Amino acid sequence: EVQLVESGGGLVQPGGSLRLSCAASGFIFNTYIMSWVRQAPGKGLEWVSGISGSGGSTYYVDSVKGRFTISRDNSKNTLYLQMISLRAEDTAVYYCVRDLVPGTIWGQGTLVTVSS
Amino acid sequence: DIVLTQSPVTLSLSPGERATLSCRASQSVSTYLAWYQQKPGQAPRLLIYDASNRAGGIPARFSGSGSGTDFTLTISSLEPEDFAVYYCQLRSNWPRTFGQGTKVEIK
Repeated sequence: EVQLVESGGGLVQPGGSLRLSCAASGFIFNTYIMSWVRQAPGKGLEWVSGISGSGGSTYYVDSVKGRFTISRDNSKNTLYLQMISLRAEDTAVYYCVRDLVPGTIWGQGTLVTVSS
Repeated sequence: DIVLTQSPVTLSLSPGERATLSCRASQSVSTYLAWYQQKPGQAPRLLIYDASNRAGGIPARFSGSGSGTDFTLTISSLEPEDFAVYYCQLRSNWPRTFGQGTKVEIK
């Protein structure tokens, strides 16, 4: 079964750090661009970051540049999002996405709450 | 960066009515546009890709059209399960911007 399972979310103080993970299964992971998409409570979808299949190219929305780093370990079929200098406005459900249409796959999401 | 603007913000309709949702890009994206449906507590579901192609398993009442800067998602006759939020997304380059969404609610 094709599946993405996120983990690593939780409560963190402003200025803190967190690393999200996304375990992929059921497909050849290293052949797919992957992305992170977030959704703040009651708000719309926001694409955050993307990475090529090899990991050699990465892309970010302006609001997270310099604070978030996307990476992948193709030997472990795992996608990561390292987040530092977290702000209240980073509070959201973070989705891991196999970034291909029509074969897009979304994980169930992991909640990140930035609050003191 | 390309901006996607969806209209209206909210669409109030009754089951059986036709829904027409708009997505406008700030510059041409050819046909590299997708539409998603999201229901509360669920991840988005892909409906349409490349502006007019239905994804697998999507009912024929959903259709997409447009190219360049103006795109439309049409639901020909609303079913009860179609009341949800709909997003368009840029697929041609980075960032993979989303529109702000259109909520289709029961009138």
